[in-house]
Amino acid sequence: NAGVTQTPKFQVLKTGQSMTLQCAQDMNHNSMYWYRQDPGMGLRLIYYSASEGTTDKGEVPNGYNVSRLNKREFSLRLESAAPSQTSVYFCAGSFGGGTTDTQYFGPGTRLTVL
Amino acid sequence: GENVEQHPSTLSVQEGDSAVIKCTYSDSASNYFPWYKQELGKRPQLIIDIRSNVGEKKDQRIAVTLNKTAKHFSLHITETQPEDSAVYFCAASRVGPHAGGTSYGKLTFGQGTILTVHP
Repeated sequence: NAGVTQTPKFQVLKTGQSMTLQCAQDMNHNSMYWYRQDPGMGLRLIYYSASEGTTDKGEVPNGYNVSRLNKREFSLRLESAAPSQTSVYFCAGSFGGGTTDTQYFGPGTRLTVL
Repeated sequence: GENVEQHPSTLSVQEGDSAVIKCTYSDSASNYFPWYKQELGKRPQLIIDIRSNVGEKKDQRIAVTLNKTAKHFSLHITETQPEDSAVYFCAASRVGPHAGGTSYGKLTFGQGTILTVHP
């Protein structure tokens, strides 16, 4: 099993460009999440999908959109990138519904917006 | 929404010493408290978690304690080793079949603690 995978690993964009970050999991997770990680601020939830067909905003959704394409895939789109979106982006998945809910993270995408 | 505060932001110890990291949370409905370890350039990985119906949980050299009344929980690492050096994050969430609502499963993380263990 590959677990949770993300593409690309690195990306440099110019202000105003758009791009989609891809995330896929083969762990049969029901729930999937997108976080951004900035120095000194921990991990902040951008969007999440509690189950296939549903998405909801997290703590910092502005400037992003998501698509839960199917149970395996959850993509994050930046329509018009801004320097403030320079960050490391992590996708995560979990089974959901239990009395604990371990989230398994992907390897991350390091995005720089010039 | 939930707010999680984590202290200290940096912690430096000698090999063999103990390390303690503390977190407080604001939402009394939170019932699940995981701790993640993130090594440099790597992804966060779960090291231990605790449910609100348990006061303490131990796994070899690491333990977590929870005080629901005071709304704080702590990570304890004993006999620290250089490979324990990493960033540690606490988090809080509502999980379980009765959690419900838009808060379900959403982890709120603390700001992180950089732990350095000197040989």
